[in-house]
Amino acid sequence: SYVLTQPPSVSVAPGKTARITCGGNNIGSKSVHWYQQKPGQAPVLVIYYDSDRPSGIPERFSGSNSGNTATLTISRVEAGDEADYYCQVWDSSSDHGVFGGGTKLTVL
Amino acid sequence: EVQLVESGGGLVKPGGSLRLSCAASGFTFSSYSMNWVRQAPGKGLEWVSSISSSSSYIYYADSVKGRFTISRDNAKNSLYLQMNSLRAEDTAVYYCARIAMASSSSWYDYWGQGTLVTVSS
Repeated sequence: SYVLTQPPSVSVAPGKTARITCGGNNIGSKSVHWYQQKPGQAPVLVIYYDSDRPSGIPERFSGSNSGNTATLTISRVEAGDEADYYCQVWDSSSDHGVFGGGTKLTVL
Repeated sequence: EVQLVESGGGLVKPGGSLRLSCAASGFTFSSYSMNWVRQAPGKGLEWVSSISSSSSYIYYADSVKGRFTISRDNAKNSLYLQMNSLRAEDTAVYYCARIAMASSSSWYDYWGQGTLVTVSS
């Protein structure tokens, strides 16, 4: 099955830009979706179709996808952005999401 | 407002059974495929099972195949997961999640709050 690789952790100072990567074989040919999960809460969709934002998600969240790497970018990071972030692609053969291992974003 | 509310979790002994439910509201439940996704303590997200809108297509992760059964009752706007022969490694928060309707790819646009299943003697 398709494997998505994320760094376990990323740290960033408030006000700076955080970039969380998601690696996969030719992932640029797939659509990538991103979720934010805060402790004790369910995941929340923050990016779909590589770079689209659901309503209610700040413009500070953006995404890109090319080659073997997809990237979630969070600009002007705030303390409230501290969370785990998961990338996901779709396995249409059995109608389910394939997740990366998750990245813990720490705001210093 | 779309809502997914899971119930039925709890503490069960190894080899035991549990039935999870997910009550859906705020959308036309019968039009959407649904998934169960779980998360072991301190771990990442893991897909468990899928069911299409009319129950015509059902899939399971290898880790639960033969032990878990997914089902739905569109008249009751409810999704279920019957879990038998439970193991310690099944301990997790179980989420029901709605699959967004899309053409070239799909994602989970709504999630329940989760229900904790603990398998321990």
